[in-house]
Amino acid sequence: EVQLVESGGGLVQAGGSLRLSCVASGFTFSSYEINWVRQAPGKGLEWLAYITSSGTTRYYADSVKGRFTISRDNAKNSLYLQMNSLRAEDTAVYFCARPTLGYWGQGTLVTVSS
Amino acid sequence: QAVLTQPASLSASPGASASLTCTLRSGINVGTYKIYWYQQKPGSPPQYLLSYKSDSDKQQGSGVPSRFSGSKDASANAGILLISGLQSEDEADYYCMIWLSSAYVFGGGTKLTVL
Repeated sequence: EVQLVESGGGLVQAGGSLRLSCVASGFTFSSYEINWVRQAPGKGLEWLAYITSSGTTRYYADSVKGRFTISRDNAKNSLYLQMNSLRAEDTAVYFCARPTLGYWGQGTLVTVSS
Repeated sequence: QAVLTQPASLSASPGASASLTCTLRSGINVGTYKIYWYQQKPGSPPQYLLSYKSDSDKQQGSGVPSRFSGSKDASANAGILLISGLQSEDEADYYCMIWLSSAYVFGGGTKLTVL
């Protein structure tokens, strides 16, 4: 069974930093691309970042480019999102996902207080 | 103008059919893209329903009933999610998605009410 389990969310002040993690199981993590997607309270889904299986190629949404960094450790079956210069509008549930295959974690809530 | 536009809400009766549209921005040809559809209920992550590019290139999500189907309306430049035989459990938010220029793009979502 495929599982994606996010962690690292919490309350942080505006301007602060947070690092999210996602541990994968049930598939060969190192063979596949993976993404971060978020959903602000009561709002729709917003794709944030993509990383290839080897980690050599990364893409970002304009809303987080320069502030967020996606990375992975294939030896630990883990995906990360380093979030810097956080803003109130970054408040959301953050999901790691392989959306084209229907793999989503349960999400971790990040709250940025202003 | 958003890349993918979905109506904010739609209501339909139990047993009826509902057609949810996902209109691509002018200049982005629907025929080129595979459109993914998701269902999301409160407090849960999105659930993959299906993807549709053409009748020969489509996939149904695991365990997704056949009453959920995808298609396209080229004249409207839109992808369509058709739900037939609506049930109360189909009440949810529905999102479309495409891969465009090195990014995933989601539509704003349609809240489907079954009443």
